[in-house]
Amino acid sequence: SQTIHQWPATLVQPVGSPLSLECTVEGTSNPNLYWYRQAAGRGLQLLFYSVGIGQISSEVPQNLSASRPQDRQFILSSKKLLLSDSGFYLCAGMGGRGLFFGSGTQLSVL
Amino acid sequence: GENVEQHPSTLSVQEGDSAVIKCTYSDSASNYFPWYKQELGKRPQLIIDIRSNVGEKKDQRIAVTLNKTAKHFSLHITETQPEDSAVYFCAARRAGNMLTFGGGTRLMVKP
Repeated sequence: SQTIHQWPATLVQPVGSPLSLECTVEGTSNPNLYWYRQAAGRGLQLLFYSVGIGQISSEVPQNLSASRPQDRQFILSSKKLLLSDSGFYLCAGMGGRGLFFGSGTQLSVL
Repeated sequence: GENVEQHPSTLSVQEGDSAVIKCTYSDSASNYFPWYKQELGKRPQLIIDIRSNVGEKKDQRIAVTLNKTAKHFSLHITETQPEDSAVYFCAARRAGNMLTFGGGTRLMVKP
């Protein structure tokens, strides 16, 4: 079955520090992959999506970036975190029945 | 692009009552409509979906209806239970495109 592995589950980082969140996907090849952010009590904001290795599209301007070095690996990064980067980050893949999500990373920037 | 509106943003019902959440979409070419349930601090989970070639789909206490002419679809939960309390998201997708999510509905089922 299709599975997204995402880590870490929680992360507390100081303002100005770098960020690297990683997810890997199993059970499907060449999937479309997505990074979403969810502020507390809010909806799902699409940040990046990738249709293949090295192919990244950004949905919103921000200080985050994404990379896809391997077919089943999707990485979200930042060189310098802002307070506004706090939120719940979800990696997702597109399967036969819509999106399937990773377990999420709760990022708190202090 | 696609735009999905979801109502209400919050919904409180008594245990045993029914709950209905409604969504409208803008792209008449959208043909896939999933519903996700997200419990606090957890990932969204697909609970039911419907494709544009059917008007209704049911899975135990959950049903989804689709009106292609009016471009709206609804989630119906009958005999609600406290464990149904969560945030529910509707979404719409056109073939080959991404999912577009509604803003979510926080459902609270009071015991």
